[in-house]
Formats: sequence, C-alpha cells, structure tokens
Amino acid sequence: AQTVTQSQPEMSVQEAETVTLSCTYDTSENNYYLFWYKQPPSRQMILVIRQEAYKQQNATENRFSVNFQKAAKSFSLKISDSQLGDTAMYFCASNAGGTSYGKLTFGQGTILTVHP
Amino acid sequence: GAVVSQHPSWVICKSGTSVKIECRSLDFQATTMFWYRQFPKQSLMLMATSNEGSKATYEQGVEKDKFLINHASLTLSTLTVTSAHPEDSSFYICSARGDSRAPYEQYFGPGTRLTVT
Repeated sequence: AQTVTQSQPEMSVQEAETVTLSCTYDTSENNYYLFWYKQPPSRQMILVIRQEAYKQQNATENRFSVNFQKAAKSFSLKISDSQLGDTAMYFCASNAGGTSYGKLTFGQGTILTVHP
Repeated sequence: GAVVSQHPSWVICKSGTSVKIECRSLDFQATTMFWYRQFPKQSLMLMATSNEGSKATYEQGVEKDKFLINHASLTLSTLTVTSAHPEDSSFYICSARGDSRAPYEQYFGPGTRLTVT
C-alpha cells in the first residue's frame, strides 16, 4: 500500500518570492512515479511536474522544481518567482506498479495563496 | 493532445432520482478510467477503476450498487449515481490512461458538480 502525506494545509507567499511545499510518501514498490498536481479554482487538475523514482536527477519545469530524497521518501515542490496564477490547491501523488498499477494515491493537499 | 471531457459539468437532481455522468477521452483510447470524488478543500478519493470491457473495481467502502460504472468503449466511461441523496452531493472527477500514452500518466477531466436537493 502507498501513502502520501502533505503536512502543510495552507501556505502563503508574496508574488515573486519562492515557496516550498512538502510531501512525504511511503511505498514498498521499487518502481514508482511521483507527481505534483495543481488544482486552481476551476478545479481542473493540472500536472505540474513528475519524477521517476529511478532517476536521481531532480525534475525541473520552468519555475517549478522538486527536491527528491529517495532514502528519506521526501518529495518537495519549489515554486520560484511565484505568480498570482499559482494560487491553487497542490496535491502530491504517487503512482506505483504491481497490483496497484496506474492508481494514483494523493496527499491531503496544500492550499497555496500568492499575495500581490 | 490527451484531452478528457466530462458531461455535464454541473447537475442538480432531486433526492431519489438517478443521474449519469459521462467521461470521454477525445484524442486517445483510454484502456483504463478512474473515478474520483472530492469534497471542498479536500483531496481526491478514488472510487473505482474501470477497464474497457470489464467490470469496474471498486475501492473499499464504495457502494457498487449505488455508483454504477460502465466502460463500454475505449473512449467512454459512465458513472451513474442511483437513488441519489443529499449526501451524494460532491464533485466527481474522472481520469483516463491509455496504452498509447505514458503508462504512468493520467489525464483528468474537468469534473462534474453534483447537487442533490
């Protein structure tokens, strides 16, 4: 079984500053993927970034980057140069293989507010 | 590419009636579709997994007779909430994955808001 934990229910940041959202996970699988999804007020789920567990290099997508610590089972998201449009609920998720192949396990979510 | 649609986007129904929600993959064949339920400011809760042509696999605690899922084609899955009650009011989201796409990736529909009065 997989578990994903986000311990920050809410975060806020000033526009143009940097913010880090935390996520820890647990899985018994060797091959798995980790994701950060954004859910803006429209409630459409948007993939922000993904990390393949067998890759040591941290994934980066423009202003978004992750700090993947496999031994510690930690997967934090850093948002640089925060923009008002980054205001959303952010979910950390894992997707493992085996009998749970394809199933996403989500964390509780973190509501991020970017202030002007 | 990888677009998933849901219809309707918002539905209001009376207690005791049934309502059907459609989930379509518009530009790929979805071998697997997932149905989630989400309450305000909460996480997504997986309800069931459906594979084309097979019976859906429901998560523990989800009533299969209340939430009927059909995945009759590679582009369409439906969720029918039978004998709906106010406690069934929620936001329902589907997602899809296809063998032609990255196997680890799911593509989400825009969601359906169900209000039962």
